[in-house]
Amino acid sequence: AQSVTQLDSHVSVSEGTPVLLRCNYSSSYSPSLFWYVQHPNKGLQLLLKYTSAATLVKGINGFEAEFKKSETSFHLTKPSAHMSDAAEYFCVVSDHLDSNYQLIWGAGTKLIIKP
Amino acid sequence: EAGVTQSPTHLIKTRGQQATLRCSPISGHTSVYWYQQALGLGLQFLLWYDEGEERNRGNFPPRFSGRQFPNYSSELNVNALELEDSALYLCASTPEGGGTSTDTQYFGPGTRLTVL
Repeated sequence: AQSVTQLDSHVSVSEGTPVLLRCNYSSSYSPSLFWYVQHPNKGLQLLLKYTSAATLVKGINGFEAEFKKSETSFHLTKPSAHMSDAAEYFCVVSDHLDSNYQLIWGAGTKLIIKP
Repeated sequence: EAGVTQSPTHLIKTRGQQATLRCSPISGHTSVYWYQQALGLGLQFLLWYDEGEERNRGNFPPRFSGRQFPNYSSELNVNALELEDSALYLCASTPEGGGTSTDTQYFGPGTRLTVL
């Protein structure tokens, strides 16, 4: 069975500094990987996804993530944090169950931006 | 274009009662997914409906059930409510043929269920 581990439950950075949200996964085959963001009182939104094309994936709002198979990681980064980035971020891996796919969600990382 | 809508926004029930939650997908989307998000936890997959049929279900007891209507809207029913059912219930939709590993899911704002 596949699993996702988000290594930090909370990450706090100052506005204008880099952001790193860490995600490791276990997979028995070539996975698809996603990052979703959940702003307070708003629905979940896709940030970016990896689908076995380029290993460096660019998403919305200046975020990007790099798929590293050797390290089974899919860390999310942004060069410069903005106050509007404060939200909860979820790393997700697709799981092949019988003939169907199902998303396996990490527990989430709450990103706090200090002024 | 309207997004995924869910109703009600909040629902308060007592233990042993039944709860019904509703979801309308984005126009043109035929697949609907239900998730439970308990406080401090990631999303747990509940059910997936496509073209009116249940395609897959997560590791939840049978008192969690649902259905999808001909207009692709969906209903989640939770019978014999327990205190631990208190959570945010999220609905997501994908375009026709959902169920592939690369699908982007589009989420509604959720229904906050509180069981007293």
